[in-house]
Amino acid sequence: AQRVTQPEKLLSVFKGAPVELKCNYSYSGSPELFWYVQYSRQRLQLLLRHISRESIKGFTADLNKGETSFHLKKPFAQEEDSAMYYCATYNQGGKLIFGQGTELSVKP
Amino acid sequence: KAGVTQTPRYLIKTRGQQVTLSCSPISGHRSVSWYQQTPGQGLQFLFEYFSETQRNKGNFPGRFSGRQFSNSRSEMNVSTLELGDSALYLCASSLANPGTAGNTIYFGEGSWLTVV
Repeated sequence: AQRVTQPEKLLSVFKGAPVELKCNYSYSGSPELFWYVQYSRQRLQLLLRHISRESIKGFTADLNKGETSFHLKKPFAQEEDSAMYYCATYNQGGKLIFGQGTELSVKP
Repeated sequence: KAGVTQTPRYLIKTRGQQVTLSCSPISGHRSVSWYQQTPGQGLQFLFEYFSETQRNKGNFPGRFSGRQFSNSRSEMNVSTLELGDSALYLCASSLANPGTAGNTIYFGEGSWLTVV
């Protein structure tokens, strides 16, 4: 079965430091992968998707099929980046399945 | 345009009661899906509806049910509530079936259910 794994429950960095949130997936076909973000007291919202190959709020994510990874990166973290981040993918049945989430804390 | 709207936002129920949660999707969206979010289990898929038909169902007991109306609005119902049902229930809508390439899913703010 398809699975998304986010190995870190909490990631704490200082403002201005690089940040990488890890996501690994298991999928037999061509996956469509997403990063969702949930800021405190706000709704879950799409941050970026791999097919768009875009950069949102300074974040990028590259699909690495060899390593089955879709890590989220930002070269210089800001305090406003503090949030819960979820990696997600569609399974073969069309369900959107999420990783367990990583809480990013950016300290001043 | 208005986002996904869920009502009620907060509610407290006692064990054994039943609850109905409502979701109004973004105008024009025909697909509605529901998720349960808890600290221990994270985000878990409940079910998904498209054009009034249930297209997908997660691994939840039969106490959890849902439906979608002709105007795409959706409700989910949980009967015989248990303490473990306490969670944030999220509704999401999209234009096309989830799983359609390029389809974006938009989430509501959720309904916080506490079972005492």
